[in-house]
Amino acid sequence: DAMVIQNPRYQVTQFGKPVTLSCSQTLNHNVMYWYQQKSSQAPKLLFHYYDKDFNNEADTPDNFQSRRPNTSFCFLDIRSPGLGDAAMYLCATSKLSGEGYTDTQYFGPGTRLTVL
Amino acid sequence: AQKVTQAQTEISVVEKEDVTLDCVYETRDTTYYLFWYKQPPSGELVFLIRRNSFDEQNEISGRYSWNFQKSTSSFNFTITASQVVDSAVYFCALSEPYNTDKLIFGTGTRLQVFP
Repeated sequence: DAMVIQNPRYQVTQFGKPVTLSCSQTLNHNVMYWYQQKSSQAPKLLFHYYDKDFNNEADTPDNFQSRRPNTSFCFLDIRSPGLGDAAMYLCATSKLSGEGYTDTQYFGPGTRLTVL
Repeated sequence: AQKVTQAQTEISVVEKEDVTLDCVYETRDTTYYLFWYKQPPSGELVFLIRRNSFDEQNEISGRYSWNFQKSTSSFNFTITASQVVDSAVYFCALSEPYNTDKLIFGTGTRLQVFP
């Protein structure tokens, strides 16, 4: 089945220790998104890629970076995690349609990050 | 500015009751999309429905139904004969193609269905 996969599902890191979360997809979608969701809140978009074009949200901290080496994979790097970065991180994908606008976003299962 | 309001923070029902989750949106664009997602305790956001602004026809899918009314800027979701497996947080969202492609989420409604 075509799907969005996130690894690991649970990640524990120490304060200030860099961490990388990964997302892969078999949907062959050209748009990939990273969201942060804190407890009892709505998901918040951090950034997204149209193919290799990176689009950062204005309020995304510099501490968060992303890489997309190919269509299938996208990584979220947190350079120096703080206690406030503990959250669920959700990856999503969508298809840029022929009409020029994106289709439905499909989400992965998320990675729950704990910062000690 | 775009905004999605889900006024119901939490709803509790007993199995087999019908329940309606409210969603009110604000947008200045004439072309937009509305979505409902379900987030069970496992955390994954599960897509339920997508509706474009030009299609006000209501939709039914099994026990789920959606009522889209542009006149009141509402896109409400009804679960008929609720089941324990329906327990989750439900998010309503808005996107504006040709603009940001960003999903604007409401704050979510937590539905608890008791046996």
